[in-house]
Amino acid sequence: SYELTQPPSVSVSPGQTASITCSGDKLGDTYACWYQQKPGQSPVLLIYEDTKRPSGIPERFSGSNSGNTATLTISETQAMDEADYYCQAWDSSTALFGPGTKVTVL
Amino acid sequence: EVQLLESGGGLVQPGGSLRLSCAASGFTFSSYAINWVRQAPGRGLEWISAISGSGGSTYYADSVKGRFTISRDNSRITLHLQMNSLRVEDTAVYYCAKSGLDYPWYMDVWGKGTTVTVSS
Repeated sequence: SYELTQPPSVSVSPGQTASITCSGDKLGDTYACWYQQKPGQSPVLLIYEDTKRPSGIPERFSGSNSGNTATLTISETQAMDEADYYCQAWDSSTALFGPGTKVTVL
Repeated sequence: EVQLLESGGGLVQPGGSLRLSCAASGFTFSSYAINWVRQAPGRGLEWISAISGSGGSTYYADSVKGRFTISRDNSRITLHLQMNSLRVEDTAVYYCAKSGLDYPWYMDVWGKGTTVTVSS
């Protein structure tokens, strides 16, 4: 069955850039999206259709998708960006989430 | 404001049934697909089901196929998830999440979730 993989954790210093990868077989042939979830809260859509940001999402969040890897990039990371991040894609009429990446802002 | 509000969670014994509901407001309900996504304690997100805006197409994860049924009442702006033959591993927070389109795609609005506990 199709699976998405993410690194369990990423650490970043305030003001620096964090990159979170999401890997899956031929992931670049479909659209990927990204969600942010803070403790005790519902997920929030950050990026859809690989690169698009919903209204209200800061420009420091950006996405790309090519080959087997989608990437979420957080530029000028802030303390408020500390959260779990999930990628998601569709395969054979089934939605799949990656296992999630915990971003720690040190 | 676009909002989703889940209800119907609770404690149920293994093998039992539960019906979750999701009330929507702030958008043209029948124009968008809706998903159910769950999150077990301390675990990641798991998509379990979706239904198209008209209700004519439904989608299920293998983990719930044959046990759960998704439906919607566009006249009452409500989504349902009928859960039968519940297992301990179905214990989770259940979220309804609106798709950005008429068919299941990205999930742009999420409810606050309702908790389902399956335990004897």
